[in-house]
Amino acid sequence: DTGVSQNPRHKITKRGQNVTFRCDPISEHNRLYWYRQTLGQGPEFLTYFQNEAQLEKSRLLSDRFSAERPKGSFSTLEIQRTEQGDSAMYLCASQGGQTNSPLHFGNGTRLTVT
Amino acid sequence: QKEVEQNSGPLSVPEGAIASLNCTYSDRGSQSFFWYRQYSGKSPELIMFIYSNGDKEDGRFTAQLNKASQYVSLLIRDSQPSDSATYLCAVKAYSNYQLIWGAGTKLIIKP
Repeated sequence: DTGVSQNPRHKITKRGQNVTFRCDPISEHNRLYWYRQTLGQGPEFLTYFQNEAQLEKSRLLSDRFSAERPKGSFSTLEIQRTEQGDSAMYLCASQGGQTNSPLHFGNGTRLTVT
Repeated sequence: QKEVEQNSGPLSVPEGAIASLNCTYSDRGSQSFFWYRQYSGKSPELIMFIYSNGDKEDGRFTAQLNKASQYVSLLIRDSQPSDSATYLCAVKAYSNYQLIWGAGTKLIIKP
């Protein structure tokens, strides 16, 4: 069990550029979540997949954000036309078993938009 | 609006003492409760989860749940400097998959 893997660990980009992050969940976990976290705050929900189906997307999420999980395994999160306010830690978590089971987080991708 | 409240701290505790972290939640339908530890610049790491009223112990950690008072706590016995971190409380309602997160309590263990 290699845990949840996220790449890259760090990303620095200029405002207006597009960025894509990848998450590889724990292999037997069918549920996958993306969160965003800024300093001093708890994780903020972005979106949720069960297998390949995207079941929920935060109403607070701009149309510049899109996520996919094409084969129900790894997932990608893309941010188009990045803004300085997008600077944050982007966390991926996977979950197996019952829906009340704990989430297991990856190491996160820290995005800095200059 | 479902909310989870935590004192932001910092909570300063001498090494070897008991650290007590508290969390209140607003949704009476909440069924599952989680404590995560987060070191600066790192991702959250699961410490404990609890589903039923009462106490649940795991090593130096004890989670306490009181659904009537909508209150969950985490006790850390024999606190170590390595316990210094931010502790996040997360609550899940029965009716949906989402976790509602508190903003975390920063814990400092003083040698």
